[in-house]
Amino acid sequence: QKEVEQNSGPLSVPEGAIASLNCTYSDRGSQSFFWYRQYSGKSPELIMFIYSNGDKEDGRFTAQLNKASQYVSLLIRDSQPSDSATYLCAVRMDSSYKLIFGSGTRLLVRP
Amino acid sequence: NAGVTQTPKFRILKIGQSMTLQCAQDMNHNYMYWYRQDPGMGLKLIYYSVGAGITDKGEVPNGYNVSRSTTEDFPLRLELAAPSQTSVYFCASSPPGQGVETQYFGPGTRLLVL
Repeated sequence: QKEVEQNSGPLSVPEGAIASLNCTYSDRGSQSFFWYRQYSGKSPELIMFIYSNGDKEDGRFTAQLNKASQYVSLLIRDSQPSDSATYLCAVRMDSSYKLIFGSGTRLLVRP
Repeated sequence: NAGVTQTPKFRILKIGQSMTLQCAQDMNHNYMYWYRQDPGMGLKLIYYSVGAGITDKGEVPNGYNVSRSTTEDFPLRLELAAPSQTSVYFCASSPPGQGVETQYFGPGTRLLVL
């Protein structure tokens, strides 16, 4: 069973802090890794994706990938109350069009 | 563009009933997907399509059927509804050449089977 694991949270951080969200995956052959944000009652929105080991930055967001440890993380700098949402990690495990999603981490940013 | 649209927004079904969830996109996207999301869980792929006339199973296809007769529409059919199919259903689409890297999600259909 191919799995993607996330801590369900909630992760609570004060406004302006760095929020660190983590995700592990079971399949060493996984190719690409995605972070989605989902507000309550809404559909998921893609934040960013990463293919290669290391860091990828997009504005206040940084994705970090370590394939040896089968670990991908999302850092949110200068967290804002509007960042409060559930963050879903997803992994593409082969060359197909299938994504395996984690169950998400709920982030609360306190004003 | 309206993007990805889904109807209905909410539906209650009795056990054993059937229904079709509608999904349409006006962005000329080749790839379309159906996901379900159970409460507090991530999304699970039900079916996907890479173009008109081509569909394939995802992670949880049992109890569902799809068809793709046009580029724009990708309906999901539930036969003999069961309580286990209570979920929120999301349709998504991707432009040609971008596969799963860029998925545009519809607003979802909330289904309750009693």
